[in-house]
Amino acid sequence: EAGVTQFPSHSVIEKGQTVTLRCDPISGHDNLYWYRRVMGKEIKFLLHFVKESKQDESGMPNNRFLAERTGGTYSTLKVQPAELEDSGVYFCASSSNGDTQYFGPGTRLTVL
Amino acid sequence: QKEVEQDPGPLSVPEGAIVSLNCTYSNSAFQYFMWYRQYSRKGPELLMYTYSSGNKEDGRFTAQVDKSSKYISLFIRDSQPSDSATYLCAMSFTGNQFYFGTGTSLTVIP
Repeated sequence: EAGVTQFPSHSVIEKGQTVTLRCDPISGHDNLYWYRRVMGKEIKFLLHFVKESKQDESGMPNNRFLAERTGGTYSTLKVQPAELEDSGVYFCASSSNGDTQYFGPGTRLTVL
Repeated sequence: QKEVEQDPGPLSVPEGAIVSLNCTYSNSAFQYFMWYRQYSRKGPELLMYTYSSGNKEDGRFTAQVDKSSKYISLFIRDSQPSDSATYLCAMSFTGNQFYFGTGTSLTVIP
């Protein structure tokens, strides 16, 4: 069974540009989560989808971040416009039962 | 105050040693407790999952949850060089939003 995949693995952009991160969850997993780790800090929750509905987006830092999960399969996280403090590693996780979460390898975002 | 506190280490032990990793937390409402292992430039890999209090064993790994002390532990027996990684504790109220510790870096020396 394929695990959670994320694309790209690494993205370098300039401040003010737009970046879109993609996550493909494990097939059949209705729950999809986005997390972020800023350098030196712990991994922090961003939001949770159940199928295509946003269940909890309390961790989204501001309105420059937009997450979508059209059709309830893969998800995208767009940052527009990117700021320096958005640099970090963005992880996606999926779960079938809402508790055991399986993480992807992450996308390392560098904003210059 | 952070929700979850974890000593970042680094921790260095000889091969075959017993390793003890710990986290404390402040919110008694946490019900789900997890340990993840993360190798460099990889995503966190689930090692152990515990609901509420008690012990859970899986091979060389034992997870303990003491809710009265707000303290969780992961023990690794007969540690191997392949166990060298960062270990992350995580916990949750509902099983959805996870709260992570900062991770403990472990090196097992052959």
